[in-house]
Amino acid sequence: NAGVTQTPKFQVLKTGQSMTLQCAQDMNHNSMYWYRQDPGMGLRLIYYSASEGTTDKGEVPNGYNVSRLNKREFSLRLESAAPSQTSVYFCASSSGVVSGANVLTFGAGSRLTVL
Amino acid sequence: AQTVTQSQPEMSVQEAETVTLSCTYDTSESDYYLFWYKQPPSRQMILVIRQEAYKQQNATENRFSVNFQKAAKSFSLKISDSQLGDAAMYFCAYRRGWGGSEKLVFGKGTKLTVNP
Repeated sequence: NAGVTQTPKFQVLKTGQSMTLQCAQDMNHNSMYWYRQDPGMGLRLIYYSASEGTTDKGEVPNGYNVSRLNKREFSLRLESAAPSQTSVYFCASSSGVVSGANVLTFGAGSRLTVL
Repeated sequence: AQTVTQSQPEMSVQEAETVTLSCTYDTSESDYYLFWYKQPPSRQMILVIRQEAYKQQNATENRFSVNFQKAAKSFSLKISDSQLGDAAMYFCAYRRGWGGSEKLVFGKGTKLTVNP
């Protein structure tokens, strides 16, 4: 059972380049999320998708776009990478059912460096 | 907007002893959930424990327990009989109790070192 799979695990970009982080989950979850983690800042929400066909901005959406391709997949795109986007990115998913303390399941993270 | 504050950037504990990590939060909602996540050097986010705000009883999971003080908006994590494998970053997180999205708001984390 793979859970949440992110690719790539590591990436180095030059300023201005574009790239897409891929995320897929095999738990039939409705909701998916992208977070970034910076030293001393904890995890901050970039975008989320409460259900297939919907996406919403989180706390730090500037410079990013997302696509909920289908129920399984949720990609994060950097159109023109900047050094400030150097970070570790986490994808997560949850059932999305409004009952109980449904928890988020996280991917292993993707370390992105922008030179 | 909800905020989560972890006032201890770093903590250390001797193996087999007890340590308490602090977390406070700010919300105007009455229905919500609180979580502690552990992030070891592998970077994987691991759920340690969760607490429903409507439950007065503090949650426990083996050596991990919480002290939930709703009126004070405080949610501390106690680790008993600390082990070397407990060394990690610990994040406190908040989620509102309703709505179709379960997005979490995280604190900035506490780095726990366990000394042999």
